[in-house]
Amino acid sequence: ELKVEQNPLFLSMQEGKNYTIYCNYSTTSDRLYWYRQDPGKSLESLFVLLSNGAVKQEGRLMASLDTKARLSTLHITAAVHDLSATYFCAVASNFGNEKLTFGTGTRLTIIP
Amino acid sequence: NAGVTQTPKFRVLKTGQSMTLLCAQDMNHEYMYWYRQDPGMGLRLIHYSVGEGTTAKGEVPDGYNVSRLKKQNFLLGLESAAPSQTSVYFCASRSGTPLEAFFGQGTRLTVV
Repeated sequence: ELKVEQNPLFLSMQEGKNYTIYCNYSTTSDRLYWYRQDPGKSLESLFVLLSNGAVKQEGRLMASLDTKARLSTLHITAAVHDLSATYFCAVASNFGNEKLTFGTGTRLTIIP
Repeated sequence: NAGVTQTPKFRVLKTGQSMTLLCAQDMNHEYMYWYRQDPGMGLRLIHYSVGEGTTAKGEVPDGYNVSRLKKQNFLLGLESAAPSQTSVYFCASRSGTPLEAFFGQGTRLTVV
């Protein structure tokens, strides 16, 4: 059974600082997704990573995928308050590739 | 372009009552999913479907049933609601190619 773990679960950081959220998964997969969720809202797609070594960047967020290590990272550069949200990674199982399994999420709070 | 629409947005049920949540997508997606979101537990997959007329169990299927009679609709039923089913329910859909899943706005269900 595919397990997806994120850490940290909670992250409070000052504006202007850099930090990384980690997503580890337990079985082979080459498809990983990052989502953002604001309080009381739905999930918004950020990145889709489809191959080993994939790197994608949007603004102050950069995501990468290492399928050999079964690890994805979401790096935040020079954080701003608008990035405060909960971030989820989700992994598609290689077997059948139908199910998306989510991590427990990282609640990010940016302090002015 | 409506995307993924969930009906209703809010509902309060008494223990033992039944109800059906409707998810409708207008993107001609093959895959559809029902998740529940509880504090500190991320999103957990209840049931999913890989095409019209097909359904499969996810991580937490007990107490729920689903049907996908039409490609665009995925119904989630609670036959006899229990307080443990108090949660926020999200529906998602995606195409057969490995693109991101699109989420509905969520249904907040309270069972008293």
